Amino acid sequence: TQLLEQSPQFLSIQEGENLTVYCNSSSVFSSLQWYRQEPGEGPVLLVTVVTGGEVKKLKRLTFQFGDARKDSSLHITAAQPGDTGLYLCAPTTSGTYKYIFGTGTRLKVLA
Amino acid sequence: GAGVSQSPRYKVAKRGQDVALRCDPISGHVSLFWYQQALGQGPEFLTYFQNEAQLDKSGLPSDRFFAERPEGSVSTLKIQRTQQEDSAVYLCASSPRTGVVQPQHFGDGTRLSIL
Repeated sequence: TQLLEQSPQFLSIQEGENLTVYCNSSSVFSSLQWYRQEPGEGPVLLVTVVTGGEVKKLKRLTFQFGDARKDSSLHITAAQPGDTGLYLCAPTTSGTYKYIFGTGTRLKVLA
Repeated sequence: GAGVSQSPRYKVAKRGQDVALRCDPISGHVSLFWYQQALGQGPEFLTYFQNEAQLDKSGLPSDRFFAERPEGSVSTLKIQRTQQEDSAVYLCASSPRTGVVQPQHFGDGTRLSIL
């Protein structure tokens, strides 16, 4: 069974601070997606990473896929209150349709 | 809008009742997923459809859970003889094509409460 861990579980920071959240596993992934979910809504896709060592930037968000494709990180620069939400990673392994979601990092950015 | 639509948004049922949850995916999307999300947790996979074919139902917790997508568009998740542990948000997602590197478009879910 694939063990997927996201850390930290909770994070409360002031507007303007930087932060990094992590997604780690004991298994090798074929790809990984990051989603953000706000209360009462479904998750919204932020990015998909496929290649080991890949770095993708989305405005103030930087996503990195580990060289061994077992882990990923999300770095937010100059966080804003609008970044508040539950950040979920969802890796996949080859030969399966399933997305296995982590338990998420709940981020709160205070104005 | 043209997003994934789920109904009802909220459902309250007494223990032992049957419930049916509906998902209208984005038109033309081939893949459809159902997830269960408990409070404070990430979504857990329940089942996957490719058009009308249910290719994976390994995540369904028991034989009380049944899903169908008879015409390859709208899907229904049915839970028979509901129990309190079935209380959760049920999310539906659709993807335009098959293959794992596809964006999933989620609905806003049905919040099910079993009394």
